[in-house]
Amino acid sequence: GESVGLHLPTLSVQEGDNSIINCAYSNSASDYFIWYKQESGKGPQFIIDIRSNMDKRQGQRVTVLLNKTVKHLSLQIAATQPGDSAVYFCAERALGAAGNKLTFGGGTRVLVKP
Amino acid sequence: DAGVIQSPRHEVTEMGQEVTLRCKPISGHNSLFWYRQTMMRGLELLIYFNNNVPIDDSGMPEDRFSAKMPNASFSTLKIQPSEPRDSAVYFCASTQGAGGGYTFGSGTRLTVV
Repeated sequence: GESVGLHLPTLSVQEGDNSIINCAYSNSASDYFIWYKQESGKGPQFIIDIRSNMDKRQGQRVTVLLNKTVKHLSLQIAATQPGDSAVYFCAERALGAAGNKLTFGGGTRVLVKP
Repeated sequence: DAGVIQSPRHEVTEMGQEVTLRCKPISGHNSLFWYRQTMMRGLELLIYFNNNVPIDDSGMPEDRFSAKMPNASFSTLKIQPSEPRDSAVYFCASTQGAGGGYTFGSGTRLTVV
């Protein structure tokens, strides 16, 4: 993932609608991917993960899709709620990385409108 | 489980002063990571430890930064001397084994004036 400058991409979504957050990763050797949620003033919080031998994984109200062909990861949030407003980061781990080193993307801000 | 504990939560210091940030990882976790977060650069990995041994410190910006992990339950990140451009939120995270995601602490917001 690449860091971004001052302006985070922002997704505005109406409460109750579904959200889709996208992430492009760069390392074709990455074998493990995670989505994190960061609320203001807090550390990133684990949401869901997926390994490279899968293309879809579902959690509670969240689904992660992995397309290794185009090195693309997405997070879908169903029935978005005000508490989902946060910055969302994707992270990748390269195969064989000692110590489980993750590289984070720049993040997407999600704003939920009531 | 108290999670990853960082102290202090906020630190304001004058340029040139030494700053020490502290981290207690989750008990049983064998990998510990220090990240810095700024608006310009996002989340940057500074250094990480595996079983208390530094594995990769290539993200440490310069010699003013140093990190130690004297035992499995404690780590420090020191900046000496501090500069205004070091102002950021510093996160510590820990994980167990090769399969899981990290658990982050609440961070230390450092302001160097």
